[in-house]
Amino acid sequence: GENVEQHPSTLSVQEGDSAVIKCTYSDSASNYFPWYKQELGKGPQLIIDIRSNVGEKKDQRIAVTLNKTAKHFSLHITETQPEDSAVYFCAASPSGAGSYQLTFGKGTKLSVIP
Amino acid sequence: DAGVIQSPRHEVTEMGQEVTLRCKPISGHDYLFWYRQTMMRGLELLIYFNNNVPIDDSGMPEDRFSAKMPNASFSTLKIQPSEPRDSAVYFCASRTTGPNTEAFFGQGTRLTVV
Repeated sequence: GENVEQHPSTLSVQEGDSAVIKCTYSDSASNYFPWYKQELGKGPQLIIDIRSNVGEKKDQRIAVTLNKTAKHFSLHITETQPEDSAVYFCAASPSGAGSYQLTFGKGTKLSVIP
Repeated sequence: DAGVIQSPRHEVTEMGQEVTLRCKPISGHDYLFWYRQTMMRGLELLIYFNNNVPIDDSGMPEDRFSAKMPNASFSTLKIQPSEPRDSAVYFCASRTTGPNTEAFFGQGTRLTVV
């Protein structure tokens, strides 16, 4: 099955700096890569996703890049703000019969220091 | 829609007792997922349903775990008997048909088995 590795496990940045979280996946059949943000005491919430026919996607201060050849994808947050502090999860979903299943990375705890 | 609703939010029980977690998916969503979240293992998929039918329960850790979905608006995850190592946050998520669509998570149930 799919295996998703996520790094780093913790990340501290100064407010206004950029944050980058990286993930690798093992199943070349995966073609959907969402990123979830989990705030304390809440369930994960989708913040951005990318599909395998796209190399990069942006949404305001958030961007995701995908390298299918290398099987890795990254989340970039620019101009970080204290409210960006949370745990971020990457995930991968294969095509075909398993396309409704998400395999998650272990998460990155991001702390934005004011 | 109020989103995915889980109950209870917190559950403390003694080892050996039966525990039942409940989930109401978003109306119209035909896929429902149960995840378990721990520090050590992150978010693990336990089981998922399509149109109330269990599709893949390979993530269910032991026979002590069982899940049902008697109708499109209700699902339960039962642990009998419960053990301290079952302590975790359990999430329910739902999504619509079509690969690579967003999964919406509930707030989770924090289970503590003492």
